Amino acid sequence: GNSVTQMEGPVTLSEEAFLTINCTYTATGYPSLFWYVQYPGEGLQLLLKATKADDKGSNKGFEATYRKETTSFHLEKGSVQVSDSAVYFCALGNSGGSNYKLTFGKGTLLTVNP
Amino acid sequence: DADVTQTPRNRITKTGKRIMLECSQTKGHDRMYWYRQDPGLGLQLIYYSFDVKDINKGEISDGYSVSRQAQAKFSLSLESAIPNQTALYFCATSDFASNNEQFFGPGTRLTVL
Repeated sequence: GNSVTQMEGPVTLSEEAFLTINCTYTATGYPSLFWYVQYPGEGLQLLLKATKADDKGSNKGFEATYRKETTSFHLEKGSVQVSDSAVYFCALGNSGGSNYKLTFGKGTLLTVNP
Repeated sequence: DADVTQTPRNRITKTGKRIMLECSQTKGHDRMYWYRQDPGLGLQLIYYSFDVKDINKGEISDGYSVSRQAQAKFSLSLESAIPNQTALYFCATSDFASNNEQFFGPGTRLTVL
């Protein structure tokens, strides 16, 4: 079945530091990959996505590249801000017949200090 | 106005009580989902519905039931609440045109005493 493994947190960084949150997946076929972000007290919102191998998703300074050879979709940002403090979820979407569900990783809490 | 709304936002109830969580959406999506979030466990799918006549169990459906009253409304019920159902519950929607990106409501924090 499908599964997503992401880096355990919490992760604490200083402002302007480089961020990497690792994500690897197991899936059949050709899944789409997503990063969702959850700010305190809010629901999840899509941060970026990639639908095929070698695609790079990007948004708000965050990037992730779909690597089929390493089954990975690591999230990176060159210079984090305090406002990036949130929980980040890696997710996989796979179609099987008419079904399309998302499988989520356990989430990584990021805290950015001024 | 929010596209996906959930009511109530917070609820405290007692063991054995029946409780319903409601989700409404104005996005016109045909697919709706209920997830449960526990600390350190990520999101687990409880039920999902691909249209009004299609209801499917997710990973952790035991102890829960759902009703898809209309395309825009999807309710989650706990027939007899128990303390280990204390969690944050999220509703989400998607459709084929959105490339299956899911849009989440703000969540309902449920506490079962």
